[in-house]
Amino acid sequence: QKEVEQNSGPLSVPEGAIASLNCTYSDRVSQSFFWYRQYSGKSPELIMSIYSNGDKEDGRFTAQLNKASQYVSLLIRDSQPSDSATYLCAVILTGGGNKLTFGTGTQLKVEL
Amino acid sequence: GAVVSQHPSRVICKSGTSVKIECRSLDFQATTMFWYRQFPKQSLMLMATSNEGSKATYEQGVEKDKFLINHASLTLSTLTVTSAHPEDSSFYICSAFRAVTGELFFGEGSRLTVL
Repeated sequence: QKEVEQNSGPLSVPEGAIASLNCTYSDRVSQSFFWYRQYSGKSPELIMSIYSNGDKEDGRFTAQLNKASQYVSLLIRDSQPSDSATYLCAVILTGGGNKLTFGTGTQLKVEL
Repeated sequence: GAVVSQHPSRVICKSGTSVKIECRSLDFQATTMFWYRQFPKQSLMLMATSNEGSKATYEQGVEKDKFLINHASLTLSTLTVTSAHPEDSSFYICSAFRAVTGELFFGEGSRLTVL
């Protein structure tokens, strides 16, 4: 099992819809989770960090964490074409110091 | 917000030459910086962890003598690709860890092309 797993997609949603991106991780005691957005040819940009079970909202973005299920998700409300990018889930694994382990990313396409 | 600056953004060099890439944290001190490499349509691969004032920690399979890392100050880390070959062509991205918030911020990336 990979340490951080994401569906590679592409995930296609119509403009204005909710995009749901999912991520599972293998380390039961991981405490820090992050979502990054990466446009083609660009470096990743931090969108959200989440450390506690439940939901964390920031504008159109909501991160959801369920440590019991080892599952973290990102919801994007009112999706816009400019949201089309690859979304990377990242986890700080136990014993990894401050080192992030990334999933392979999910490509999101928001269609007009 | 936090800004991490990386330079140069693009570099083309001849096979056998060395290339230096700089990574600076502009508005916070970073005792730890990370260097990643990303090939087309693949995810980020961690190459090494750069610690201010000490030797870098390299990931398995990464040649420390080929990828020289220097973290001489709390705001600057450099990656030198020595004796570059075409297979070293890639997108190299640095990141800096902001301890106060526990967040990692990325530089803009450097696209290296070795002819």
